[in-house]
Amino acid sequence: EVQLVQSGAEVKKPGESLKISCKAFGYSFTSYWIGWVRQMPGKGLEWMGIIYPGDSDTRYSPSFQGQVTISADKSISTAYLQWSSLKASDTAMYYCVRHAISSLTSPAGYWGQGTLVTVSS
Amino acid sequence: EIVLTQSPDFQSVTPKEKVIITCRASQSIGSSLHWYQQKPDQSPKLLIKYGSQSISGVPSRFSGSGSGTDFTLTIKSLEAEDAATYYCHQSGSLPHTFGQGTKLEIK
Repeated sequence: EVQLVQSGAEVKKPGESLKISCKAFGYSFTSYWIGWVRQMPGKGLEWMGIIYPGDSDTRYSPSFQGQVTISADKSISTAYLQWSSLKASDTAMYYCVRHAISSLTSPAGYWGQGTLVTVSS
Repeated sequence: EIVLTQSPDFQSVTPKEKVIITCRASQSIGSSLHWYQQKPDQSPKLLIKYGSQSISGVPSRFSGSGSGTDFTLTIKSLEAEDAATYYCHQSGSLPHTFGQGTKLEIK
């Protein structure tokens, strides 16, 4: 069974760094694109970017390019989303998603449970 | 970047009513359009893929149609458990994008 298990909620101050994780179970981690989706409080879904763990090919939405870094560690089947300097506007729920098949044009078939990031002074 | 515009933003509906949600893309995306359901405090769940393909385990009252720029999600006989926000998502062009969401309230 495919499962994406995300790291726990975080409370941080503006300017701090953060790396959240998404551990994959039940499939070949290197064969499927994994992406990240942001949902700000009370708002809709925003596609942030995606990585192919097999070769670390990474694509970002222009809205998030330079603001976050997406990475993956094949040895432990884990994808990451990181910030070097958080802002209050980064407060949101972040979901990792796995595409249904190995194609980049496939839907987000599997979702993690979400990681709530709160940034407040 | 492809913009997806959903209509309506909000709808209050009675059980057994038929519901149609539309999603319009700013340029053609072929059939690379998918629909998700998100209930409060839950992760989104895939309902329909590639415009009209059903997903195992999703009730048959959910169906999708369309290609190119215009797509619809139809719930043929609404049930109370369908109270949720529905999103379309295009994967035909990078960056992928989502519609703004349609919230369904059950009267």
